[in-house]
Amino acid sequence: AQSVTQLGSHVSVSEGALVLLRCNYSSSVPPYLFWYVQYPNQGLQLLLKYTSAATLVKGINGFEAEFKKSETSFHLTKPSAHMSDAAEYFCAVSENNQGGKLIFGQGTELSVKP
Amino acid sequence: SQTIHQWPATLVQPVGSPLSLECTVEGTSNPNLYWYRQAAGRGLQLLFYSIGIDQISSEVPQNLSASRPQDRQFILSSKKLLLSDSGFYLCAWSWTVNYGYTFGSGTRLTVV
Repeated sequence: AQSVTQLGSHVSVSEGALVLLRCNYSSSVPPYLFWYVQYPNQGLQLLLKYTSAATLVKGINGFEAEFKKSETSFHLTKPSAHMSDAAEYFCAVSENNQGGKLIFGQGTELSVKP
Repeated sequence: SQTIHQWPATLVQPVGSPLSLECTVEGTSNPNLYWYRQAAGRGLQLLFYSIGIDQISSEVPQNLSASRPQDRQFILSSKKLLLSDSGFYLCAWSWTVNYGYTFGSGTRLTVV
């Protein structure tokens, strides 16, 4: 079965600093990969997705992620953190079976210090 | 455009009481539908998914059930709530495996 590991349940950066949120997956076939963001007491919003096109994927709010098959990674980055980026971030991998189920990582809470 | 509605936003229920959470999707037909639960400080746990009317798959054995009486309606139910049912419940819809999910705004359930 496919799985997702997000390294670091909490990440803290200063405003203007680089944001790096790590995600590794396990899959025996090329996966579809997603990053979602969740603000307090809200649903999840899609940031970006990798669906076997370009390995560098650009998303909303200045975020991007690079698919590295050799490292089975899909890390999320943003060059300069903003206070509004403080939220919980989830990496997810699809199960290529009936129902299109997504398997989510445990999440990483991003804090941004002024 | 497609929209997903989930209600109520918050709910406080006593132990042993019944539960009904509703989710509806507009602007599309025959979506895949999902119920997830998010416990405090934990990730998302898939509870149920549905690929069509009256086609429900359960991922985790528990005292919850789901139904899909109409194409774009997905209901999460319980006959008797437990304290451990507390959490944030999220409904989502999707078309295909590479499309990704669109989530509803969630229901915060507190069982007391």
